[in-house]
Amino acid sequence: EVQLVQSGAEVKKPGESLKISCQGSGYRFDFYWIAWVRQMPGKGLESMGIIYPRDSDTRYSPSFEGQVTISVDKSITTAYLQWSGLQASDTAIYYCARLSTALAPLGSFDIWGQGTMVTVSS
Amino acid sequence: EVVLTQSPDFQSVTPKEKVTITCRASLIIGNGLHWYQQKPGQSPKLLIKYASQSISGVPSRFSGSGSGTDFTLTISSLEAEDAATYYCLQSTSLPQTFGQGTKLEIK
Repeated sequence: EVQLVQSGAEVKKPGESLKISCQGSGYRFDFYWIAWVRQMPGKGLESMGIIYPRDSDTRYSPSFEGQVTISVDKSITTAYLQWSGLQASDTAIYYCARLSTALAPLGSFDIWGQGTMVTVSS
Repeated sequence: EVVLTQSPDFQSVTPKEKVTITCRASLIIGNGLHWYQQKPGQSPKLLIKYASQSISGVPSRFSGSGSGTDFTLTISSLEAEDAATYYCLQSTSLPQTFGQGTKLEIK
């Protein structure tokens, strides 16, 4: 079964760092780009950026450039999203998703992780 | 960045009614437009890819049309289980972008 499994919910304080994960299985992980998507409470979906596991080529959406870091460890088929200094406004559900077209940053987001809830509160 | 504008933002509909949701792109995107359904507490689910291509396992009452800048998701006969928020996503131009969502409520 093709799936993406994300790490569990996190509760952090402002200023703390965090790294959440997304592990792929059931397919050739290094052939397909992975996207990260933010959903703030009661709001819509926002694409944060994408990464290609084969060579770690990363493209950020302008709103998220410099705010987060996307990385990958293809040896354990896992992508990451990290923050160096969380803010209350980072409170959201974060999803990873697979781009459907092998080898290119194209296509729909066809497989989604279950989401990771991140709560930032003092 | 391509801006996607959905309409309406909210719609209250009766079972068996035909529903149409539109998505307009700020630039020409060909057929690189996909539709998703998200129910509360769940991850988004792909309904239609490349504007009009069906997805295995998705009920046939869901269909899509359009190209260029104007796209439509149609639910031919609404069922109670279709209560959800629907999003369009464009993949032609990086960064990929989503529409703001359309919430369907069942009367």
